[in-house]
Amino acid sequence: GQQLNQSPQSMFIQEGEDVSMNCTSSSIFNTWLWYKQDPGEGPVLLIALYKAGELTSNGRLTAQFGITRKDSFLNISASIPSDVGIYFCAGPNAGNNRKLIWGLGTSLAVNP
Amino acid sequence: DAEITQSPRHKITETGRQVTLACHQTWNHNNMFWYRQDLGHGLRLIHYSYGVQDTNKGEVSDGYSVSRSNTEDLPLTLESAASSQTSVYFCASSATSGGTDTQYFGPGTRLTVL
Repeated sequence: GQQLNQSPQSMFIQEGEDVSMNCTSSSIFNTWLWYKQDPGEGPVLLIALYKAGELTSNGRLTAQFGITRKDSFLNISASIPSDVGIYFCAGPNAGNNRKLIWGLGTSLAVNP
Repeated sequence: DAEITQSPRHKITETGRQVTLACHQTWNHNNMFWYRQDLGHGLRLIHYSYGVQDTNKGEVSDGYSVSRSNTEDLPLTLESAASSQTSVYFCASSATSGGTDTQYFGPGTRLTVL
């Protein structure tokens, strides 16, 4: 079945550092979604990608839809303490795009 | 502003009791979902609904049920709570777009079964 593999599982960085994380699959996806979950809250959509090769930014966040359609990347520049949280990638279920397949998340901690 | 709310935010119950978690959305979305989140497992789909009177089982539906009597609400019931159901539960909703439907999440309910 479809699976999304996120790496790294967790990161501990210093404030001001840049962060990179990725999401890979053995299946092709036609959409990639990146969500962030703040501690004690529900996930919130950060960026949506709809086209292979697409590069989209949202403030200090930049996400890319991989050319092979089997991966996506999220970068955070100049991290700040409020970047702490869990970052999830998600994509549509192959049989039913009203459902999403989720990665297990990358947990980010930022040392001020 | 449209929103999705969950209640209660925290609940402690005993093994064997029936528990109902509420989810209410004012987005007027057709699609609603219940997930549970556990360390190491990410978000796992329990049940989902594509409209009034429609309900479907997700990957971890055993011991849970839902009903959809109106567009706004999808309550999740644990028929006989078990310690393995201690978790954080999230409700989400989405509109049917014809493409990939972005899901909007509630703040979660932390359930402890003693």
